[in-house]
Amino acid sequence: SAVISQKPSRDICQRGTSLTIQCQVDSQVTMMFWYRQQPGQSLTLIATANQGSEATYESGFVIDKFPISRPNLTFSTLTVSNMSPEDSSIYLCSVWQAGRTEAFFGQGTRLTVV
Amino acid sequence: GIQVEQSPPDLILQEGANSTLRCNFSDSVNNLQWFHQNPWGQLINLFYIPSGTKQNGRLSATTVATERYSLLYISSSQTTDSGVYFCAVLDNYGQNFVFGPGTRLSVLP
Repeated sequence: SAVISQKPSRDICQRGTSLTIQCQVDSQVTMMFWYRQQPGQSLTLIATANQGSEATYESGFVIDKFPISRPNLTFSTLTVSNMSPEDSSIYLCSVWQAGRTEAFFGQGTRLTVV
Repeated sequence: GIQVEQSPPDLILQEGANSTLRCNFSDSVNNLQWFHQNPWGQLINLFYIPSGTKQNGRLSATTVATERYSLLYISSSQTTDSGVYFCAVLDNYGQNFVFGPGTRLSVLP
């Protein structure tokens, strides 16, 4: 199984500011994903982080709001830009090795925007 | 895309009771997982079970792929079982996990 370290675990931010969340995996993985979980809701995929190229965003999510980097096969960042209270959510990093079985998740980042 | 439904949406149990959670999916899958999200928001892997039956302690799961459903059984529930249980399946392109809406379980002492 993959060990995923996600930082920060929680933060309270002022509206209009930006927060960068880091995801570090202990081994090289094929696929890395970023999810958002709004209060009381299920997980929604934001984007697939592609190593060395632009992320692939799901409908309703755009690069200007959620820029993502993935410089190598073990690390990715998600930035939540120009935050508003509606961005208050848990953000989760996930990894999956193509051809293997299980997806694994980081501890999540609980973001509150005030 | 593939649709995932879970039932019941909420469940309240007394400690020691048994329960069954259900996951229905709209298309054939070759990857299905059950997760438990604890009160701190962390997702814990419970089972990888695209078909068949598995057991791990008080928990077990069964997936009937031909009928497009999976069941999670919790026996002798404990307060630490409280949280949200999610079913997730791999989408038709095999690239992304689609999550159900979850079942929120509360186990009372």
